[in-house]
Amino acid sequence: KQEVTQIPAALSVPEGENLVLNCSFTDSAIYNLQWFRQDPGKGLTSLLLIQSSQREQTSGRLNASLDKSSGRSTLYIAASQPGDSATYLCAVLIYGQNFVFGPGTRLSVLP
Amino acid sequence: GAVVSQHPSRVICKSGTSVKIECRSLDFQATTMFWYRQFPKQSLMLMATSNEGSKATYEQGVEKDKFLINHASLTLSTLTVTSAHPEDSSFYICSARDRGAGGHLVHSREQFFGPGTRLTVL
Repeated sequence: KQEVTQIPAALSVPEGENLVLNCSFTDSAIYNLQWFRQDPGKGLTSLLLIQSSQREQTSGRLNASLDKSSGRSTLYIAASQPGDSATYLCAVLIYGQNFVFGPGTRLSVLP
Repeated sequence: GAVVSQHPSRVICKSGTSVKIECRSLDFQATTMFWYRQFPKQSLMLMATSNEGSKATYEQGVEKDKFLINHASLTLSTLTVTSAHPEDSSFYICSARDRGAGGHLVHSREQFFGPGTRLTVL
């Protein structure tokens, strides 16, 4: 059974710092991995999608990498801003076509 | 990108009543939709997979008689919480997978999430 974990569970940093959020999954048989952002009481905003054949994806200040063989992904946030404060969810798409979500990392960027 | 809507966005009901939540794919056809549930400060957990024209597949521990799912068309799936109780209060989110051009499924095709429905049972 696929399990997804995320480290750290929570993170509080001053504005301007570069951050690394970690995601691990137990079964490398995945279609893709996706990083989402969730604001309190809101739905999901897709940030980056990495297909199983890809190594990384970039969008603006965000960069996500995927090492499928080791079951790991990292989300790198450059020059963090207070507006980046949210919960970041990692999810893998498995062959049942549904997502398995990690517990999330709660990020707080202080001005 | 493709858009998935949910209605209502928020509902408050009395214990014992039934609540229907709609999930619509607005500009694409979705043969498969997924329903997730999120309790406060927890991550999303898959409840069931909804396939157009067939019965839904429920995850272990999810009562199919309590959470009725209907996927009557390629753009609409509904989740009905029957005889709701306070412990059913949660955030319900659906996602939809694009059928793809020519009706061919692409297994790695991106899914699109709805904005969620906040259910509060008093």
